[in-house]
Amino acid sequence: EVQLVESGGGLVTPGGSLRLSCVASGFTFSNYSLNWVRQAPGKGPEWVASITNNYYTYYADSVRGRFTISRDNAKNSVFLQMNSLRVEDTAVYYCVRLYINWFDPWGPGTLVIVSP
Amino acid sequence: EIVLTQSPATLSLSPGERATLSCRASQSVTRYLAWYQHKPGQPPRLLIYDASNRATGIPARFSGSGSGTDFTLTISSLEPEDFAVYYCQQRYSWPPYTFGQGTKLEIK
Repeated sequence: EVQLVESGGGLVTPGGSLRLSCVASGFTFSNYSLNWVRQAPGKGPEWVASITNNYYTYYADSVRGRFTISRDNAKNSVFLQMNSLRVEDTAVYYCVRLYINWFDPWGPGTLVIVSP
Repeated sequence: EIVLTQSPATLSLSPGERATLSCRASQSVTRYLAWYQHKPGQPPRLLIYDASNRATGIPARFSGSGSGTDFTLTISSLEPEDFAVYYCQQRYSWPPYTFGQGTKLEIK
């Protein structure tokens, strides 16, 4: 069974940092692009960042320069380093595999709250 | 950035009825559009990809159609477990991948 499990969420003050982790299982991790997608309360999902199997990275304009996506194929893991956090970064953050060019599956998510 | 607009925002129907959800793109996405189902406390689940292909394990009562800028998700006969929020998403022009704001399908 393909599984993705996120960790590292929590409460942080504006300007702070947080590092999210995602461990994958059930598929050949190194062959796939991995993504972070977030969903703020009452909003639709918002794509945040992607890292390809060749380590190319892409970011949403709203996080570029503040967030960094990385991966460790030996540990079947993908990470999201989040710096200079803002109140508007508050959301559930999902780790998502890109499968046949679509988001499938999604992890259960980890909640990030940025509040004074 | 391609903007996806979903309608209606809320759809109230009864089990057994047919549901028709719409997604309109601000410019053509050809057939590079997907639909996701999102239930409370669960992550979103891929239902339809490339406008009309059902993902693995998705029941035949779910179907997708459309191309260019106008797309439809149809649920032929609603089951109790189908009441959820549905999102469309495009991958024609990325980054960024973009999602619609969602249609909440609620029990009437």
